[in-house]
Amino acid sequence: DTEVTQTPKHLVMGMTNKKSLKCEQHMGHRAMYWYKQKAKKPPELMFVYSYEKLSINESVPSRFSPECPNSSLLNLHLHALQPEDSALYLCASSQTTTSQHWFFGPGTRLTVL
Amino acid sequence: GQSLEQPSEVTAVEGAIVQINCTYQTSGFYGLSWYQQHDGGAPTFLSYNALDGLEETGRFSSFLSRSDSYGYLLLQELQMKDSASYFCAVTVGGGYQKVTFGTGTKLQVIP
Repeated sequence: DTEVTQTPKHLVMGMTNKKSLKCEQHMGHRAMYWYKQKAKKPPELMFVYSYEKLSINESVPSRFSPECPNSSLLNLHLHALQPEDSALYLCASSQTTTSQHWFFGPGTRLTVL
Repeated sequence: GQSLEQPSEVTAVEGAIVQINCTYQTSGFYGLSWYQQHDGGAPTFLSYNALDGLEETGRFSSFLSRSDSYGYLLLQELQMKDSASYFCAVTVGGGYQKVTFGTGTKLQVIP
């Protein structure tokens, strides 16, 4: 299994809602990442987890809250988002943070109204 | 910080060869990767260079010159399905390696 899965594929939420994005991989990878991608722009790194511990937070607003319950799962909890947070949210994994081959999930297309 | 520049768009003919350049400014450079992303899809890994020189993987080759802070992706025998966005990505070191993606190049392959 060389796949990273993400749910949901699409999400529409209001600015007062609380929602969560989920990511799962069963490749035994110990590094997992959240990226944000706006249309026609490159992916921007948000968070890096290494061995289930948060190792990098790229100055992301606190309305985004990551969680790594175990080595296969990565969540992104969303609360009080702004319309400008609408984007494609990509999860990725790699064997470790020193690996150069990242496997990306298909993403969650988020729209904040 | 890091900055990576790529041409925004490239058009090439089916069956031809195309080169997509990437110039970067960074500190703590570890290596240069290339990713392909079709519209609405996820980025997929193509190639990685840590050392100077050429890496070949089928129709795709990637080149790195660390002294020039420059790399390129070479696509041969272009096919229509190669129409996509291509991103270079720099890995910088430290306790945890961080990745920054380039501006992206949209490749259009025409018959």
